Amino acid sequence: AQTVTQSQPEMSVQEAETVTLSCTYDTSESDYYLFWYKQPPSRQMILVIRQEAYKQQNATENRFSVNFQKAAKSFSLKISDSQLGDAAMYFCAYSTRDDKIIFGKGTRLHILP
Amino acid sequence: KAGVTQTPRYLIKTRGQQVTLSCSPISGHRSVSWYQQTPGQGLQFLFEYFSETQRNKGNFPGRFSGRQFSNSRSEMNVSTLELGDSALYLCASSRDTSHEQFFGPGTRLTVL
Repeated sequence: AQTVTQSQPEMSVQEAETVTLSCTYDTSESDYYLFWYKQPPSRQMILVIRQEAYKQQNATENRFSVNFQKAAKSFSLKISDSQLGDAAMYFCAYSTRDDKIIFGKGTRLHILP
Repeated sequence: KAGVTQTPRYLIKTRGQQVTLSCSPISGHRSVSWYQQTPGQGLQFLFEYFSETQRNKGNFPGRFSGRQFSNSRSEMNVSTLELGDSALYLCASSRDTSHEQFFGPGTRLTVL
């Protein structure tokens, strides 16, 4: 069965610094999708970044980038120039085409002013 | 384009009652998924509907059911409510195969 593991329940980073959130997953599939979602205190889940497993190039969205290591089944999220608005719960998620999305337990990120 | 809407936003019920939650997806999205979020269990997948058919199902008892209408709007029903059903219920919509899900604001259900 596919699983998604986020080993860091909480993390803190100084404003303007860089932070990396870890995620590992387990699957026997070769074609799948990986996501990072953000859930701020307002509770509205927002897609941060998406990676397709067949693409070797790491996805990037402005200050957010991923380090996708397919062989190691690792999918970490790097947030550069952290801002107060980045404070949220971050969920790593996995899916195959036409199948359900499996979420990790989440990492709560605190931004220190 | 309007986002995913969920109604009601807050709900208080007592044990044994039943409840129906509603979700309106983004226009053009045919897939609607439902999740239960609790502090202890995190985000757990309930079910997914695509073109009025249940395509995937999570590990929840039969008290949890859902349906999707021809306009892609979806409802979720929980019968014989238990205290443990208190949670934030999230709905998400997506196009057919892209799996980029867009979430609604959720319905906070409290069972007393």
